[in-house]
Amino acid sequence: GQQVMQIPQYQHVQEGEDFTTYCNSSTTLSNIQWYKQRPGGHPVFLIQLVKSGEVKKQKRLTFQFGEAKKNSSLHITATQTTDVGTYFCAGPPGAQKLVFGQGTRLTINP
Amino acid sequence: NAGVTQTPKFQVLKTGQSMTLQCAQDMNHEYMSWYRQDPGMGLRLIHYSVGAGITDQGEVPNGYNVSRSTTEDFPLRLLSAAPSQTSVYFCASSYDRGEGKLFFGSGTQLSVL
Repeated sequence: GQQVMQIPQYQHVQEGEDFTTYCNSSTTLSNIQWYKQRPGGHPVFLIQLVKSGEVKKQKRLTFQFGEAKKNSSLHITATQTTDVGTYFCAGPPGAQKLVFGQGTRLTINP
Repeated sequence: NAGVTQTPKFQVLKTGQSMTLQCAQDMNHEYMSWYRQDPGMGLRLIHYSVGAGITDQGEVPNGYNVSRSTTEDFPLRLLSAAPSQTSVYFCASSYDRGEGKLFFGSGTQLSVL
């Protein structure tokens, strides 16, 4: 079945450093979504990318969808302690299902 | 609006016991789903439903049953709990038949001894 792989699994940075997580699918995706889960919390939707090569920004967060629609990345510029959490990408392998990557856990040294 | 409500928040079971995790949403979403979250494994889809009376299996359905008698409710039943079912369970709903934005409940932390 379809797999969504995410790297790295863990990332520790100093506050103010940049952070990037990468997502790769074994199949072409109709869209890619990103979620954030704070420690002890539940996943919260951040953004959805639909078009090939699409780039979207949310303040310090930049999301990209690859040209082949099989990979994506999330980049955070100048991390803050509020960015701590686990970031998941997710894509539909077909209708009615959303498959999640393993997540990247971000910790920050203030 | 309450969004997606899950109960209980915590549960401890003995091996072989059965129980039902409750999930309700008040957003009139047709699509509802159950995920389990284990360390290093991300979120894995257990079962999902695209509307009342319709359910289907996800990636890891064994040992779990679901039913969808109303649009609002989507309970998850553990028939005979096993230690391998120790996990955090999330219910989620969507207005876009499962391919769009998911709204998650706060989760149920289940331990099976």
